[in-house]
Amino acid sequence: GAVVSQHPSRVICKSGTSVKIECRSLDFQATTMFWYRQFPKKSLMLMATSNEGSKATYEQGVEKDKFLINHASLTLSTLTVTSAHPEDSSFYICSARDSRMATGELFFGEGSRLTVL
Amino acid sequence: GNSVTQMEGPVTLSEEAFLTINCTYTATGYPSLFWYVQYPGEGLQLLLKATKADDKGSNKGFEATYRKETTSFHLEKGSVQVSDSAVYFCALTRRQGGSEKLVFGKGMKLTVNP
Repeated sequence: GAVVSQHPSRVICKSGTSVKIECRSLDFQATTMFWYRQFPKKSLMLMATSNEGSKATYEQGVEKDKFLINHASLTLSTLTVTSAHPEDSSFYICSARDSRMATGELFFGEGSRLTVL
Repeated sequence: GNSVTQMEGPVTLSEEAFLTINCTYTATGYPSLFWYVQYPGEGLQLLLKATKADDKGSNKGFEATYRKETTSFHLEKGSVQVSDSAVYFCALTRRQGGSEKLVFGKGMKLTVNP
């Protein structure tokens, strides 16, 4: 089946540094990808919709200058957490849908756990 | 707005026990409803879905029926296995800006012991 891969799966960084997380669709093209954040014992919170070749659409309350999203190709979206702080520590998950289908199953990456010291 | 409320757990069951995970929703219009499962160390996977009232989704022995009158989509399995140990998320779609987006419940961790 379709596969979405995230890298890195775990990252630890110092406060004030920036961290980039990649999301790749391995066997399909995705014009749209979604980035979620998952807090402990909380649901997945949609952060933004990543659109290939255009600006990402952010959900209310999500700082676009803090969480930079780049969807440079049909198989890759990146999330950069800029000037990370301990409160940014979380589990970040991406998902993607095959571009050939207007609606259909969303495929999820394995998630990336960020720990900011 | 659209939201999903589900049992939070965690829940521990013995193998072959009956499982019910409650899920209710609040939505405008007629959303599609989903159950996703996250096995240890893996990404979320679609378990089953239903797109209209009275539809029943089923997969791997799990079932859920879209109940519009009670705004519910409870997940059931008659006899759980150790391999069913995972986190289960109820979700619905909402349409915004021309695209469909998923709204998730908080997830429920299930542990099945032999």
